[in-house]
Amino acid sequence: DAKTTQPPSMDCAEGRAANLPCNHSTISGNEYVYWYRQIHSQGPQYIIHGLKNNETNEMASLIITEDRKSSTLILPHATLRDTAVYYCIGLSGGQNFVFGPGTRLSVLP
Amino acid sequence: DTGVSQDPRHKITKRGQNVTFRCDPISEHNRLYWYRQTLGQGPEFLTYFQNEAQLEKSRLLSDRFSAERPKGSFSTLEIQRTEQGDSAMYLCASRYSTGELFFGEGSRLTVL
Repeated sequence: DAKTTQPPSMDCAEGRAANLPCNHSTISGNEYVYWYRQIHSQGPQYIIHGLKNNETNEMASLIITEDRKSSTLILPHATLRDTAVYYCIGLSGGQNFVFGPGTRLSVLP
Repeated sequence: DTGVSQDPRHKITKRGQNVTFRCDPISEHNRLYWYRQTLGQGPEFLTYFQNEAQLEKSRLLSDRFSAERPKGSFSTLEIQRTEQGDSAMYLCASRYSTGELFFGEGSRLTVL
């Protein structure tokens, strides 16, 4: 499974788009990129995942670069409730989701 | 509520005591995971089951830790002779073969 690196923290103004980067330069061809977030004192919550193509759901968009070495999670209109720690995870044949320290996103009023 | 359920949500115990946590996964999910999370860190993988078989264990899972999933449904995580370093949030998650992992709200352990 790929090692991922993320910035430790980011700020975003309420109502603006939050763009959270993730570097996964060692990702293999069959490895999915998953994003989760964790709001204080709660269990992690699934956001989105993708393999090659960009993905969008009701929560976010996931943009994966053509070489698949990095990706960006986009929250189009961040709200105060989006303040959380965001985790980027690479998963392939192994069944083990490995979490790093993630990015602490603070949405500011 | 058909999500992943964990019990108890909070447990305070004295050092040296045994504790047991229970996890009820989403009913159709065949894979069940245990993670541990300490303050300021991401969740750390402990072990996972496919049905009743324990397929992988982390080095973090010392001899004092044991997990079971006897009928391939609910799971228990027991910690024997607790130490202060065991204080953490213990998270359970489940999934069906492939796809996303669904987490419970966790069981917070405090060892005095």
